[in-house]
Amino acid sequence: DGGITQSPKYLFRKEGQNVTLSCEQNLNHDAMYWYRQDPGQGLRLIYYSQIVNDFQKGDIAEGYSVSREKKESFPLTVTSAQKNPTAFYLCASSIIGGRVFSNQPQHFGDGTRLSIL
Amino acid sequence: AQSVTQLDSHVSVSEGTPVLLRCNYSSSYSPSLFWYVQHPNKGLQLLLKYTSAATLVKGINGFEAEFKKSETSFHLTKPSAHMSDAAEYFCVVTGANNLFFGTGTRLTVIP
Repeated sequence: DGGITQSPKYLFRKEGQNVTLSCEQNLNHDAMYWYRQDPGQGLRLIYYSQIVNDFQKGDIAEGYSVSREKKESFPLTVTSAQKNPTAFYLCASSIIGGRVFSNQPQHFGDGTRLSIL
Repeated sequence: AQSVTQLDSHVSVSEGTPVLLRCNYSSSYSPSLFWYVQHPNKGLQLLLKYTSAATLVKGINGFEAEFKKSETSFHLTKPSAHMSDAAEYFCVVTGANNLFFGTGTRLTVIP
């Protein structure tokens, strides 16, 4: 079955530590995305990538970094500069229909819940 | 500019009764609109999408939504609620460089 796999499901970060969230897809999608979800809010875009070795900042990129070395993989690093990292992180992918944010729906993983120790 | 407003943060219905989840949007051009469902500690699953074809869109699990340009609305409905419909629902509108997510409506289904 094609889909998106996020790991780990739960992650704890210590003060001053960088942590990396994994996202892998086997849907052969060109575009991949990272979102942050906080209670009572909609999803907010952190980073997105349309093609290997290229990515763009979203609305809340500060304190986060990404890489796209393979089409299937789009890991997100939450750095120590992110002072409020506790949230539910969702990775998504999609076909690019003319442009990145088009009428093509995004497919989501099951998320990683990050907490501070 | 694009934005989306979900008018109810929480909706409660009895099993077997109709469901109405309301969504209004604002867009400077003809947008695409989506409804997604999220069960606890899960990702979002697409229910249906509107992309300037038929204004009445049918989705999975018996849900449908009607695009009303004059009212800038895209309300989600289902004739008869099932216990498995209890979840969080998100209305989403496309923008030039982003998707705009509503803040979600939590649907509770009472047995």
